[in-house]
Parts: sequence; structure tokens; C-alpha cells
Amino acid sequence: AAGVIQSPRHLIKEKRETATLKCYPIPRHDTVYWYQQGPGQDPQFLISFYEKMQSDKGSIPDRFSAQQFSDYHSELNMSSLELGDSALYFCASRPSLGTPHEQYFGPGTRLTVT
Amino acid sequence: AQKITQTQPGMFVQEKEAVTLDCTYDTSDPSYGLFWYKQPSSGEMIFLIYQGSYDQQNATEGRYSLNFQKARKSANLVISASQLGDSAMYFCAMREGPGSSASKIIFGSGTRLSIRP
Repeated sequence: AAGVIQSPRHLIKEKRETATLKCYPIPRHDTVYWYQQGPGQDPQFLISFYEKMQSDKGSIPDRFSAQQFSDYHSELNMSSLELGDSALYFCASRPSLGTPHEQYFGPGTRLTVT
Repeated sequence: AQKITQTQPGMFVQEKEAVTLDCTYDTSDPSYGLFWYKQPSSGEMIFLIYQGSYDQQNATEGRYSLNFQKARKSANLVISASQLGDSAMYFCAMREGPGSSASKIIFGSGTRLSIRP
């Protein structure tokens, strides 16, 4: 079965650089979520999109922005990177109607800021 | 306020034994969903089991079952006949709102389960 695809899987950036993370949801999933998981922590919700519109916003820094495109893939843009942005970034998707109720997570992008 | 509480930071269990991972939650929404995810050392987040607040029966998926006690606001995960491959971090999570809701899910702090051969 198709799963959520995230690219790149690993990314190393220096402080003050920018990064773009991409997420391709499972086919027919129109809702996408982004989560950030710091070392030894639980995932924290950043932002979500439904039908290309932002549906909810969590603890996402102003330096970050995201959007969902017409093919439902989503991109998380991160600027002025800080050491504290080093984390595992997950994208998850689900269909807005019917089951399943669970969010399916991608493999994550591990971002290291040096 | 912490809405998902996992009080066991780490657990050691002998292979083939059953194990219960504790989870309590807090919400004022009558409609919600509870999830368990497994995160092995490789990092991916694997969905295990789901329980809706209005589901009459406890959810089961293979060796996983969810002991849902609504009045006590607990949703413990039971893994029967544990295997070495069950060693991982386990997160309890909750979504407020009905199943059709696009609401985010919030996670507990996790329990690291280690299976001894």
C-alpha cells in the first residue's frame, strides 16, 4: 500500500540557512499535518492543511511557513535556521471523510542544523 | 495543561510475556479519539490501534488491544506475547472532536519498552 512520502530523509544545514521539506500524502488523503519531534521529546503539532487551506496552527515559529498545493502535496519552508530547529519533522495525512480516523505518518525528515 | 499522561518512562519485559502500557487523558469534549503509535529506533511513527470515544467495544489489532476505561479516562495498551521486535518507544495520543474532524493529535511523553530475550 502507498505510504506518505517525505523528502529529503536527511538534511544538514548551517545556522541562518533556509530549508524546504516536502511531503506527498497517501493518494486520496486531502488533509496534511506537520509535526516536529526534538531529541527525546514527543512530536509537537506545527500546522495542518485541508483542501489546500490552512486548517489549524500550532507552535510553529514565524520563521516557518507551509502550504499545500493542488496535488495535495505540502512543503514546509524554514528560514533563518537555528540550532534548536534540529529535529525530526513528520508529515502525516488522512482522508477528511470516512475512515480511517488515524493519521498516517511519513518516515520523517531528520534536520540537523550546525 | 497536559492532556495525555504516560507515567512509565521505561519498561523492561521478558520475551513472550504480556505488557500493559499506561495512558490517561483529559478532555472536556465528548467526542474524541485515542491512538497508540510505535516509534522504533529508526524513527518512523507506526500506527498501532485506534479507539473512538463512542466505541462500545475495546479495540483490538492482532497482538495489540486497548483497555479503554472511559469513566477513568484511561486507554492502556496491552501487548500480548511480546517479541524482541516490540522494543521501541510507544506514544499514546488523542484527537479532540469527532472522527471526521481534521483536528491535530497531541501526544504523551512516551514509554520506552525494552524486551529481554
